[in-house]
Amino acid sequence: NAGVTQTPKFRILKIGQSMTLQCAQDMNHNYMYWYRQDPGMGLKLIYYSVGAGITDKGEVPNGYNVSRSTTEDFPLRLELAAPSQTSVYFCASSYGEASGNTIYFGEGSWLTVV
Amino acid sequence: AQRVTQPEKLLSVFKGAPVELKCNYSYSGSPELFWYVQYSRQRLQLLLRHISRESIKGFTADLNKGETSFHLKKPFAQEEDSAMYYCALSVRSGYNKLIFGAGTRLAVHP
Repeated sequence: NAGVTQTPKFRILKIGQSMTLQCAQDMNHNYMYWYRQDPGMGLKLIYYSVGAGITDKGEVPNGYNVSRSTTEDFPLRLELAAPSQTSVYFCASSYGEASGNTIYFGEGSWLTVV
Repeated sequence: AQRVTQPEKLLSVFKGAPVELKCNYSYSGSPELFWYVQYSRQRLQLLLRHISRESIKGFTADLNKGETSFHLKKPFAQEEDSAMYYCALSVRSGYNKLIFGAGTRLAVHP
């Protein structure tokens, strides 16, 4: 099992550019999440999904979009990148909701917007 | 407001010394708390959860509702314990989510 796989690991974007962070899991998990972590801060939830075709906003969704066409994949799209989106992004998944289930994380994607 | 506070950014100890990583939370509901750990060049992973009352790698954590704390303890630190430790609180606010603290870096010196 690869677990949760994120790509790319590092990326530099110019202001106004767009990109997609890819995330895939091979554990047949229903729940998937995108978090961001700014320096010195905890992880904040951007979007989450409870199953294919179902997505919803987390705490900090502005400037991002997601889709969940399959159980395995949960890409995060950044439209019109801004310096405030410079952060480390973590994709994660769990079999069920966060309270009763272990959340498995990807290795993280370092994004810099200049 | 729902919040997790880890007051120390860095905790530096010598091998064999006791360790206590502090975590305080703010939540009006029934709390469910976790400790996650990230070793160097590895991904964030679950260390332990309070409902399991387990000891993992010699670490324990007790939920103290009176003090709203969930401190992580180990009696004798090892060099391999050096890592980033995150305390997390599970809350239900429309959906079930984890709120993370900012993390504490534990450095264990030989």
